[in-house]
Amino acid sequence: EDKVVQSPLSLVVHEGDTVTLNCSYEVTNFRSLLWYKQEKKAPTFLFMLTSSGIEKKSGRLSSILDKKELFSILNITATQTGDSAVYLCAVKTSYDKVIFGPGTSLSVIP
Amino acid sequence: GAVVSQHPSWVICKSGTSVKIECRSLDFQATTMFWYRQFPKQSLMLMATSNEGSKATYEQGVEKDKFLINHASLTLSTLTVTSAHPEDSSFYICSARQTYEQYFGPGTRLTVT
Repeated sequence: EDKVVQSPLSLVVHEGDTVTLNCSYEVTNFRSLLWYKQEKKAPTFLFMLTSSGIEKKSGRLSSILDKKELFSILNITATQTGDSAVYLCAVKTSYDKVIFGPGTSLSVIP
Repeated sequence: GAVVSQHPSWVICKSGTSVKIECRSLDFQATTMFWYRQFPKQSLMLMATSNEGSKATYEQGVEKDKFLINHASLTLSTLTVTSAHPEDSSFYICSARQTYEQYFGPGTRLTVT
């Protein structure tokens, strides 16, 4: 059965800290790995990763994929209170199905 | 960027009634749309894949007669929750695929009393 696992499930940090969120997966016909940020409503897209070892960056966020070890990390540096959200990792298969992990709830306190 | 809308954003209905939720891609055509359900403090669970002009593909455990999906045009998919019960109360989110990306709607909060 296809599955996506995230750790930790919740995390509390202080502003300015750096955090690393983990995502591992077991799926058949892997196509890409996606990271989303979900605040009060629907998720917003952060990154799509298809190749191993190539870091994607957007401001203070970065992510990398390891297709051999079947995991990805999402790094957030110099965290701000606005980074508080649930971060969802999802894997898209070649059947166009997207399987979501349980999410990591991040709370950044001033 | 691509925009997906949902209507209504929230709805309260009585047990036994049916509720229709619309998902529209506003500035692009989407041959494929997806319907997800999210319970409090849980992740998104894919319910079904909706393809324009053909029957939806439902995930295991999702009752196709209870959750009716219609994808009649390239910009509109609807989810009808028939004979709703309190356990159907949830956050329903649709997404629409444009090339390789999926764009999510804002979600519909359904409460069945």
